Amino acid sequence: AQSVTQLDSQVPVFEEAPVELRCNYSSSVSVYLFWYVQYPNQGLQLLLKYLSGSTLVKGINGFEAEFNKSQTSFHLRKPSVHISDTAEYFCAVSDSVNQGAQKLVFGQGTRLTINP
Amino acid sequence: NAGVTQTPKFQVLKTGQSMTLQCAQDMNHEYMSWYRQDPGMGLRLIHYSVGAGITDQGEVPNGYNVSRSTTEDFPLRLLSAAPSQTSVYFCASSYSYYRGNSPLHFGNGTRLTVT
Repeated sequence: AQSVTQLDSQVPVFEEAPVELRCNYSSSVSVYLFWYVQYPNQGLQLLLKYLSGSTLVKGINGFEAEFNKSQTSFHLRKPSVHISDTAEYFCAVSDSVNQGAQKLVFGQGTRLTINP
Repeated sequence: NAGVTQTPKFQVLKTGQSMTLQCAQDMNHEYMSWYRQDPGMGLRLIHYSVGAGITDQGEVPNGYNVSRSTTEDFPLRLLSAAPSQTSVYFCASSYSYYRGNSPLHFGNGTRLTVT
């Protein structure tokens, strides 16, 4: 079984500053990794995903994440945030070997607040 | 293009009442699922379906039933509501259960309160 730990429940950042949201996972098999974003009163939207290949993955809205297999991490980064990035961010993992790729296990979420 | 549509948006139930949360998608997706979102716990999978007529349990299935008679619809039934089922419920669908490059599409959620 997989599990995901998001190391920060809340991250306050000033506008135009860089940000990193941390995610660690646990799994006995190879995984797919995802970051989803949830804006207030909405469902989740896919930001980016790692399936295979290059460990640096670029997503929408200027976000990127790096898959580090040895540290079992998939941290999300953005070099300069905007007020509109205020949202909750979820890291998720799925089993790429034995089960469906869409049976996601989510982390607890990180609330990113951008201050002017 | 409506995507994933959930109804109702809000619902208040008394303990012991039953209700059905509706989910419909118009993208011809074979995979559909239900999650519940609770503060500090992220999203947890309740039930899922890999195609019409096929359903399976997720991480937290107790107290919930599902069926999938058509590709488009995947209702979630609460037979006897309990306060522990107070949560925000999300329906999500995908083109394929097995393909990692097929993203999940989420509805906007149903906020359920059980008193």
